[in-house]
Amino acid sequence: RKEVEQDPGPFNVPEGATVAFNCTYSNSASQSFFWYRQDCRKEPKLLMSVYSSGNEDGRFTAQLNRASQYISLLIRDSKLSDSATYLCVVNSQAGTALIFGKGTTLSVSS
Amino acid sequence: GAVVSQHPSRVICKSGTSVKIECRSLDFQATTMFWYRQFPKKSLMLMATSNEGSKATYEQGVEKDKFLINHASLTLSTLTVTSAHPEDSSFYICSARDSWGGSGTDTQYFGPGTRLTVL
Repeated sequence: RKEVEQDPGPFNVPEGATVAFNCTYSNSASQSFFWYRQDCRKEPKLLMSVYSSGNEDGRFTAQLNRASQYISLLIRDSKLSDSATYLCVVNSQAGTALIFGKGTTLSVSS
Repeated sequence: GAVVSQHPSRVICKSGTSVKIECRSLDFQATTMFWYRQFPKKSLMLMATSNEGSKATYEQGVEKDKFLINHASLTLSTLTVTSAHPEDSSFYICSARDSWGGSGTDTQYFGPGTRLTVL
């Protein structure tokens, strides 16, 4: 079983749509959770950390379910500029490398 | 936020040559840096963990004699791809961990990546 699994998509949605991405991780001892965004041929950039209580940043909402080892990202009112690959990222221990999922590709069209 | 630079951003070389990639933390000290590789349409895969002043720790399947890592200072790590072959063509990305904790969480900052093409 892969350490971090995501639905690769692609998700093709119109502007203004709400879209949700899911992710599961295998290591129950994982401590930190993130969503990164990667544009074509660029490095990943941190979108948001994910906390147990759930957290929101503008149009983006992240949820964590430790019991199910499940992470989600909800994007409301999609913009064209949201088109990118969204990476689910897990860190098992502070100071160690991040573990990336394969990413979910989102394409927002007008 | 913190800045990590990589040089070169792109390199094209002939098969058999060696290529050195530099990763620098510009405004913070990084005792630990990580080297990742990403093939087209694939996820980032950790190659090795680079610790300042000590030997790097390589992931399973990554040849340490082929991918030489040196982390001689708190702001610089280098990855040398020795005797590069076409199958080494990939996007190499480093990340640096802010040793002082940054915002209190384990914050890692990514370099912009180096695209290597071996002919």
